[in-house]
Amino acid sequence: QVQLQESGPGLVKPSQTLSLTCTVSGDYISSSGYYWSWIRQLPGKGLEWIGYIYYSGVTYYNPSLRSRLNISVDTSKNQFSLNLNSVTAADTAVYYCARVKTTVATVDYWGQGTLVTVS
Amino acid sequence: QSALTQPASVSGSPGQSITISCTGTSSDVGGYNYVSWYQQHPGKAPKLMIYEVRNRPSGVSHRFSGSKSGNTASLTISGLQAEDEADYYCSSYTSGSIHYVFGIGTKVTVL
Repeated sequence: QVQLQESGPGLVKPSQTLSLTCTVSGDYISSSGYYWSWIRQLPGKGLEWIGYIYYSGVTYYNPSLRSRLNISVDTSKNQFSLNLNSVTAADTAVYYCARVKTTVATVDYWGQGTLVTVS
Repeated sequence: QSALTQPASVSGSPGQSITISCTGTSSDVGGYNYVSWYQQHPGKAPKLMIYEVRNRPSGVSHRFSGSKSGNTASLTISGLQAEDEADYYCSSYTSGSIHYVFGIGTKVTVL
């Protein structure tokens, strides 16, 4: 069974960098056919794609976040990471890491989510 | 790209059937058979309920079914149960730069 687990600070100061890591178990992050993704949910709001990465390092970013965003992958640790800089209170959200199965264009596994507060 | 349009809320009595719509454009819902539906209970991560418009993952109840007509996809819940009360999000592949887009979400209430 594939499991994803987010880790990182739950509190970040404004203007600083939000950094999260997702550790994958039950599958190799270097497996073909999957995008490793970050999705967030602002308080009381819907889901928003942040971006995703293929094991080769190819990335796709939400245009609205692209200038502040970096997603990277470490296949040796079976992890991928999110860095969002110059954060404001508007970036306060629950951040999910997730696996997208590209052949059916769907998120088939989600992490439990982690609340990050910018204050 | 813009989020897919969903009704803010849908309600029904136990045992009834309800349908949630998800409207996009020819660049997303109408252009691809890659519509998914997710169920989210409060404080929990979303759970995949339907993929590729109408396919159910293993373990998902047959009471959940999906369909699509033109630029609108639909999720139908038959035999509504108390445990179905949750938020539901659609998602579609899109020709936009991010490749995927979510709906704004629908709160399902079981009366």
